[in-house]
Amino acid sequence: GAVVSQHPSWVICKSGTSVKIECRSLDFQATTMFWYRQFPKQSLMLMATSNEGSKATYEQGVEKDKFLINHASLTLSTLTVTSAHPEDSSFYICSARRVGYTFGSGTRLTVV
Amino acid sequence: QKEVEQNSGPLSVPEGAIASLNCTYSDRGSQSFFWYRQYSGKSPELIMFIYSNGDKEDGRFTAQLNKASQYVSLLIRDSQPSDSATYLCAVISEGGADGLTFGKGTHLIIQP
Repeated sequence: GAVVSQHPSWVICKSGTSVKIECRSLDFQATTMFWYRQFPKQSLMLMATSNEGSKATYEQGVEKDKFLINHASLTLSTLTVTSAHPEDSSFYICSARRVGYTFGSGTRLTVV
Repeated sequence: QKEVEQNSGPLSVPEGAIASLNCTYSDRGSQSFFWYRQYSGKSPELIMFIYSNGDKEDGRFTAQLNKASQYVSLLIRDSQPSDSATYLCAVISEGGADGLTFGKGTHLIIQP
C-alpha cells in the first residue's frame, strides 16, 4: 500500500515553456502532498505543501508564480513550472503522508 | 531555521561489517525521525522511522534516538554491496504539517 505515482519520469523542454508534473496517491487519499526539489549532489529541499481544496503553502524563497501548484482532488496534485529556464533543471519529487512519508518516483526536468 | 546535519562521507565499510550513520538536528520540537535510502537518480525509499528515545530494530537495521542530545543514528548490520547508497536523515515537527526537513545525506560504500 501507500503508493505515490508521479509522471512524467523525465522531461526536456525549451526555455520559456511550461511543464506540468502530476503526483497521484494510488491507494489512499492525501489531503496534503509535498513537493521537493533536488539539485545534483544536494539533499531534498521542500518547495511547497499542497493542500486539497486550498492554496499551497510555499517555502521561503520559492516563487509561487513560477511554481504553480494545484491540488484539486484527494488523490492528485500537480506542479507546473512556468516559463522554465535552465536553472530550473532539477529533480522534482512529490510526497504524501501515510505511515512515514511515501515519495513518488521523481521527475527529471531538463530545460534547454 | 531547522537544520539537520549529516557527515557527507563517503563512508566506506567492508562487506559484512556494521555501518553506522549519524545525524543531529537543531529543532528541539522535532517529533519524528526518518531514515531514507536513495540510489543515484532515484527517489528516496523509506527504511524506517522512530518516535521514541531508544532503539528500534527492523531486520538488519537499527535506528537509535536520543532526544536530549538531539541525535539519531542508523546501524546497518551485515552490510551488503547493495546497501551502497546515500542515506538521508529527515525530521518533522509535531503534527507533520510542515513536510520533512532533510540532511544532505551520507554516501555509504560497502566494499566487497
